[in-house]
Amino acid sequence: KNEVEQSPQNLTAQEGEFITINCSYSVGISALHWLQQHPGGGIVSLFMLSSGKKKHGRLIATINIQEKHSSLHITASHPRDSAVYICAVVPYNNNDMRFGAGTRLTVKP
Amino acid sequence: KAGVTQTPRYLIKTRGQQVTLSCSPISGHRSVSWYQQTPGQGLQFLFEYFSETQRNKGNFPGRFSGRQFSNSRSEMNVSTLELGDSALYLCASSPGRWNTEAFFGQGTRLTVV
Repeated sequence: KNEVEQSPQNLTAQEGEFITINCSYSVGISALHWLQQHPGGGIVSLFMLSSGKKKHGRLIATINIQEKHSSLHITASHPRDSAVYICAVVPYNNNDMRFGAGTRLTVKP
Repeated sequence: KAGVTQTPRYLIKTRGQQVTLSCSPISGHRSVSWYQQTPGQGLQFLFEYFSETQRNKGNFPGRFSGRQFSNSRSEMNVSTLELGDSALYLCASSPGRWNTEAFFGQGTRLTVV
């Protein structure tokens, strides 16, 4: 079993829909990152969380440390949101990053 | 402020050769980490450097090595290339340790033939 599990693996939505991507992890962490990767490879860090909730524009990320679970929400989705979204955790007392397999999101106009 | 710059963007090498990839972090950032991304294994951590010292290393063979210079620029080297080393190699810089935000470069796509 992977230390970081994401669901769903693939997600297709219509423009305007509310989207949720989930991430569960099995190790104690000091931080969790949500990353976005567009075709071509470049990765953008969307959020870094250690507790609670963060919001940036139409994106919201939450984390529940006790339940070892985080969610990424996209409100009013748009075709330009189409990308792979990756959850990554930073274990306690360590400086590596462990990654989920990613969620491929396609938003259709 | 300039972002994280990786060079070259694309590279084709032959089995058995060696390759050096470069990463220039955001000015003022002291931590540089390297990752390998393949379709089969996804993203995997290679190593992290902070102030010229390797702080952590992932589960990769000794053919994979790196270093960081006093200006925080980092290089990674892969010797005796294998077909399975074909991947997108990404670096990320952070101002401090991993409880700070990471900024990724565009990556170097290495193809081994």
